[in-house]
Amino acid sequence: EAGVTQFPSHSVIEKGQTVTLRCDPISGHDNLYWYRRVMGKEIKFLLHFVKESKQDESGMPNNRFLAERTGGTYSTLKVQPAELEDSGVYFCASSQAIAADTQYFGPGTRLTVL
Amino acid sequence: AQTVTQSQPEMSVQEAETVTLSCTYDTSENNYYLFWYKQPPSRQMILVIRQEAYKQQNATENRFSVNFQKAAKSFSLKISDSQLGDTAMYFCAFMKLLYSGAGSYQLTFGKGTKLSVIP
Repeated sequence: EAGVTQFPSHSVIEKGQTVTLRCDPISGHDNLYWYRRVMGKEIKFLLHFVKESKQDESGMPNNRFLAERTGGTYSTLKVQPAELEDSGVYFCASSQAIAADTQYFGPGTRLTVL
Repeated sequence: AQTVTQSQPEMSVQEAETVTLSCTYDTSENNYYLFWYKQPPSRQMILVIRQEAYKQQNATENRFSVNFQKAAKSFSLKISDSQLGDTAMYFCAFMKLLYSGAGSYQLTFGKGTKLSVIP
């Protein structure tokens, strides 16, 4: 069974540009989460999808971040325009329909904004 | 809001020895889950062990075991017979148990402990 995959693994962009990160959850997992780790800090929750619906987006830092989950399958996280403080590692995780089930993490996307 | 504290940014242990990573948390909740995740260098994060707060018995997974002290809000991870493959970043995480269906089962993480196993 394929795990959670994320693309790209690394992205280097300049301040003001747009970047789109993609996450493919484990097949059949209804719950999809986005987290972010800024250098030296904790991994922080960004948002949670249940199928295609946003269950909780309380962790999204501001309106420059837009997340979507097309048809309840893969998800994208777009940052527009990117700022220096957006640099970090963005993790995606998925879990089965039982919401308190174990979350399986992807390898992360390392975003560097110059 | 919940907080998770890992007071040891880095640790090292000799191969085959035992090491304990500490984690404390702060919450007003009574029912929750606690996790230890491991992220090896350049690899993705995987679950090491999980503990339900309502269970008094400490969780164990092969060489990994926890010491869960609910009253003290402490959740340490013990790795026995350390192996080179245990070299990784270890994250302690908290999840609140929801009853109403509202909200999400988001994880609250500590800053992590970088563990190096020395041959």
